[in-house]
Parts: sequence; C-alpha cells; structure tokens
Amino acid sequence: AQKVTQAQTEISVVEKEDVTLDCVYETRDTTYYLFWYKQPPSGELVFLIRRNSFDEQNEISGRYSWNFQKSTSSFNFTITASQVVDSAVYFCALSEATVGNQFYFGTGTSLTVIP
Amino acid sequence: DGGITQSPKYLFRKEGQNVTLSCEQNLNHDAMYWYRQDPGQGLRLIYYSQIVNDFQKGDIAEGYSVSREKKESFPLTVTSAQKNPTAFYLCASSPRQSLSNQPQHFGDGTRLSIL
Repeated sequence: AQKVTQAQTEISVVEKEDVTLDCVYETRDTTYYLFWYKQPPSGELVFLIRRNSFDEQNEISGRYSWNFQKSTSSFNFTITASQVVDSAVYFCALSEATVGNQFYFGTGTSLTVIP
Repeated sequence: DGGITQSPKYLFRKEGQNVTLSCEQNLNHDAMYWYRQDPGQGLRLIYYSQIVNDFQKGDIAEGYSVSREKKESFPLTVTSAQKNPTAFYLCASSPRQSLSNQPQHFGDGTRLSIL
C-alpha cells in the first residue's frame, strides 16, 4: 500500500494564482515526520519543510504555507501568488520513528506556472 | 560549501556492461542513500548505508551493488543483471539513519541511458 499519496500528477496555473498541492499519508506510528521537497528541472531535490506528528500548527514562509491535519492524514502545501520560478516537481515524504530515516516518497506533483 | 556531488551527470551503458555512479559528500553525514526515479513513480530506494562497511537493500536492490569503504563515498554499480537501467539516479545523505526527523540532502543526480 502506498504510504504517501499525491493524487495530483500535473497542475498548471497562471502566474499570480494560488495553488494547493495535496499530500495524504498513511502510518500506524504515533511519532512520524513529514517533508516537502522541490525538484526543479536541474534535478536536485531541495528540502522545503519538515513537520513532526505532534505539531499541527500551520506554517507560513513567505509565499509558501503548509496545512497539517492529523484528522485527515493530510499535509497540504499552498503557494500564494505563484511565479514562473515555482515550476517544478514537488514531493511529499514520510519517515517513521520506528523505521529511522528511511523515507517514503509520494509520486510527485508537477507544477507548471504559465506566465 | 558542503554538499553532495554526483558524477557523471549523464551516463550511457551498452548492453551487458556494468557502470558505476559516483556519490561523494562532505557533510560528515553517517547515512547515505541511493534512489531511482522513473517518470510517474516518484523515488524508490535502492540501497542505504548507516555506517562505513555496512549497507542494506532497499525496495529495488536487484541488479545493483554498492560499497561503503569511506564515510564520504557511496558508489552505486548498475550491473548487467539490471534489465531496465534507464532512469534518473539520486544520491542522498543524512546525519544518522536512526534519526527519522532529519531531512535527507540530495545530489544533482545522474541520468543513465542504454545505448
């Protein structure tokens, strides 16, 4: 069974629109961590954010915000006022305390921001 | 600057040939990982290593081999037994494999193609 599901394969938005990338996870651990990574065309995965299972406080960093809801096992990522430089593939990942630093990645969402 | 260096960026393999992908890190991380990325399938774990001279198979280890003779280096060999090696390969590292809250840091990747 897929531990991390990113149902949106591809999304296109026009510049300055807001966009939300969905991430749903599955785990039996009570202690776990969720991550978002950005993969630009150059290929390297860039770490964006980490959230632990005990902290449901939403986080905002500039135009980026994250909504963590344990009740729905979701960790969604919103980009406000999107820009062309936001075009990339975005991955959500899960690590479980009982397994260590072995990540379970979603299949990624490819975001295209049209100028 | 500290980081992970993968080489070469592009690699071509002939049928029946083994090829080795290089991964070097100067982050003083104990744990290192190899992932394979195929379109629409996200990242899949090939091998990981927690300490020098130790490594474990990931989800898709068949047709691959690794070594960890030095802390800084974790080369991946794609053997002739791997029948579908065309993919993008990413190397990652983290401070310790036992720490599930640590983000993994990634290299720029190597794109392997069959001639």
